[in-house]
Amino acid sequence: GAGVSQSPRYKVAKRGQDVALRCDPISGHVSLFWYQQALGQGPEFLTYFQNEAQLDKSGLPSDRFFAERPEGSVSTLKIQRTQQEDSAVYLCASSLVRIPPNNEQFFGPGTRLTVL
Amino acid sequence: DAKTTQPNSMESNEEEPVHLPCNHSTISGTDYIHWYRQLPSQGPEYVIHGLTSNVNNRMASLAIAEDRKSSTLILHRATLRDAAVYYCILRGNYGQNFVFGPGTRLSVLP
Repeated sequence: GAGVSQSPRYKVAKRGQDVALRCDPISGHVSLFWYQQALGQGPEFLTYFQNEAQLDKSGLPSDRFFAERPEGSVSTLKIQRTQQEDSAVYLCASSLVRIPPNNEQFFGPGTRLTVL
Repeated sequence: DAKTTQPNSMESNEEEPVHLPCNHSTISGTDYIHWYRQLPSQGPEYVIHGLTSNVNNRMASLAIAEDRKSSTLILHRATLRDAAVYYCILRGNYGQNFVFGPGTRLSVLP
């Protein structure tokens, strides 16, 4: 079956440009997570959706970062006025539910963002 | 979420067992122990998880210490495809977010 897909896989942006990263979760998955992974480090939590509701955005590093999931399926992470420190891999994950025991997270391949 | 500590890197020979340790001395009674791994240029993938008892699945085994302050992920026969970064993560039963550390980079030698 189809897993989590993300697009684009690679994005190069000039500093100051706005970017939009898309995540297609597994069909029927209620929970959706965004993570940021800097080179050589583990993923860091950005934000969490339960269906269309954004229940936790405590990990978003600045107000330049915005995420939405308007119909409870596809999600978009938008970064405005990109800076070089935004260069990272952005990972999306979905799970059937959030709480154990069926809360295994399925990750997409990520979008590698490079800001010049 | 409680913190975990893992060795930065480990090496194994192909077809030999690998024991990946994780210390979590501040674990609470309701924290589950999760293991994920990340192959090069891919997102993390689930390996195994447990609460108190040892667990086995088709990928690996998870041995949990009696006091739950440490655990060990066991790959019974390492293959070249098992070369990855392995993350040990604690997660409470109220759905707290995963907090990834730097993990253990496992190299498998042919």
